[in-house]
Amino acid sequence: QKEVEQDPGPLSVPEGAIVSLNCTYSNSAFQYFMWYRQYSRKGPELLMYTYSSGNKEDGRFTAQVDKSSKYISLFIRDSQPSDSATYLCASGYSTLTFGKGTMLLVSP
Amino acid sequence: DADVTQTPRNRITKTGKRIMLECSQTKGHDRMYWYRQDPGLGLRLIYYSFDVKDINKGEISDGYSVSRQAQAKFSLSLESAIPNQTALYFCATSAHKQETQYFGPGTRLLVL
Repeated sequence: QKEVEQDPGPLSVPEGAIVSLNCTYSNSAFQYFMWYRQYSRKGPELLMYTYSSGNKEDGRFTAQVDKSSKYISLFIRDSQPSDSATYLCASGYSTLTFGKGTMLLVSP
Repeated sequence: DADVTQTPRNRITKTGKRIMLECSQTKGHDRMYWYRQDPGLGLRLIYYSFDVKDINKGEISDGYSVSRQAQAKFSLSLESAIPNQTALYFCATSAHKQETQYFGPGTRLLVL
């Protein structure tokens, strides 16, 4: 079992929808939780970063971590076609372990 | 200019050839990483270096070697390329004791 599990999708939503992306992790030692966004043929770019349970908000994006259930979520409000990308969750304590990524398609 | 650059951006090579992928960064970060990305398998760590004198194997180091020539430069070598090393390769950097990593644009490698 991979240490970070993520549904690969694709997830298709209409513009304006609320998107929920989820990951689970198995290693209790993991202290850092991140979300990266990757456009086609580009490198991953850091979207959100947190190290504690709870919510962290940045504009239309909210990252949520529940350490008790080892669950990581990313919510996107008012989704836009420009949000269409692959979203990678990552977790770790000295190096990062990445999920396989979820492809999101937001249609106009 | 990009903070993390990778050369070449695309490369086609033949089985058995030696190939080197290079990564340079202007972010002043101590830590550097090499990943490969395959469809359905996600990003997997090959090697990482926390400073110039430190080299560590990652999840999938077999068939690869690295060299940390300077704080800003980290090279990945395939001593004898094989077709299942066809993948997208990414270099990443992070600051000392910081876990947030910043990625380069990637090198697309095809081994025939």
